[in-house]
Parts: sequence; structure tokens; C-alpha cells
Amino acid sequence: RKEVEQDPGPFNVPEGATVAFNCTYSNSASQSFFWYRQDCRKEPKLLMSVYSSGNEDGRFTAQLNRASQYISLLIRDSKLSDSATYLCVVNGPRGSTLGRLYFGRGTQLTVWP
Amino acid sequence: EPEVTQTPSHQVTQMGQEVILRCVPISNHLYFYWYRQILGQKVEFLVSFYNNEISEKSEIFDDQFSVERPDGSNFTLKIRSTKLEDSAMYFCASSGSSSYNEQFFGPGTRLTVL
Repeated sequence: RKEVEQDPGPFNVPEGATVAFNCTYSNSASQSFFWYRQDCRKEPKLLMSVYSSGNEDGRFTAQLNRASQYISLLIRDSKLSDSATYLCVVNGPRGSTLGRLYFGRGTQLTVWP
Repeated sequence: EPEVTQTPSHQVTQMGQEVILRCVPISNHLYFYWYRQILGQKVEFLVSFYNNEISEKSEIFDDQFSVERPDGSNFTLKIRSTKLEDSAMYFCASSGSSSYNEQFFGPGTRLTVL
């Protein structure tokens, strides 16, 4: 069973484009949700946490739909520096796992000039 | 900005040898983790550590693996008898006062087993 599933892409978009990534998770009791980005051969870096009400950080907007067990990330006005792999990450359900993260395989984004 | 550090950045070893990977978590964090990423695959959880003991370990974390917090700052992962399939990036992570806080990752140690 795959805990977290993502479309692997790749997504190739021009600068200034809007791009959206989707993710589904299998455990309905999961409590915390994140988007990380990972550059080639580097560590995952936290991009943003995802809250039930949806949240925005500059050009990035994250949404969570608990009923559908679905998480999304929208990037507006793409920059060359946004080129990376975007990882959908889910924490374990409260009370059973102390912080274990489950990672998707990632969605690769390339922004071209 | 505080960050997680790891040493060495790259470790090459012969099959059957023991390796110790070192991490210094962010200083006021309480929860510590090891993950690994085989080339081209997803990041996988190995073990979590809290209050000087293992909180949870995955099926990957068998008897050849061990973790230790030998002092107030270091957090180590030991692989006792390395196998070819242990070749991967090993990431240390830490999080703050709640295990549901975001986890911050170190730059990783690339382990190559020959």
C-alpha cells in the first residue's frame, strides 16, 4: 500500500506560468501535512505546512481536503528557481507514531526561460 | 538561522564494515529522526528518537542498525555490517517541542558500499 501518491511529472512550464500539483494519502487518521522541495541530490527543505483551511505563502498556495484525502500545491508566476522536485509529505496519526513522515515520490518541475 | 548538520558528507566503505554517521540536530529540538533515500527512490523513514530512547523504527531498521545520543548535541546512526543495498543518502532530521512540528533535515551523508 502506498501511503502517499503523487503524479511524478515531469512538469515543464515557462517562466510566469501557474502550475498545480496533487497528492493523495491513504491514512484518514493522518494529522499533519506538508510540502517539501528537494533539489537534485540535496536534502528535503520545508516549503510549507498545509492546514485544513488552506494557506498561502507568497506565490504558493496549499489546500487540504480531508474528506477526499487530497492535498494540492499551486505555484503562481513560476520562477526559474522553482525548478525542483516537490514532495508531498504526511505525518502519522496522533497517538500512534511520534512524528514519522511518509513521503511521496515527488513531482519534478522544470521552469524554462 | 539554526540548522541540522551532518558528517561526513560522503562515506565510502567496503561491504561488511561498520560505519557511523553523525548528526547535530537543532539545539532546542527534542525529536530526532533518521531517513534514507536510495538513488531515484522516495525518502524512507528509519527511526525516531525521543527522551533518549527509540520511539519507533521501520521494518528497514533491523539489528544491523543502532542509534545513540552520546552527549547533549550529537545523534549517531551506526550500521554494523554494511551491505551493498545500504548505499543511499542518509538524512538526519529534528523537530521541536511537539512531534507534529515540522521536521528540518540535514544535508545528508552519501553512503557508498563497495
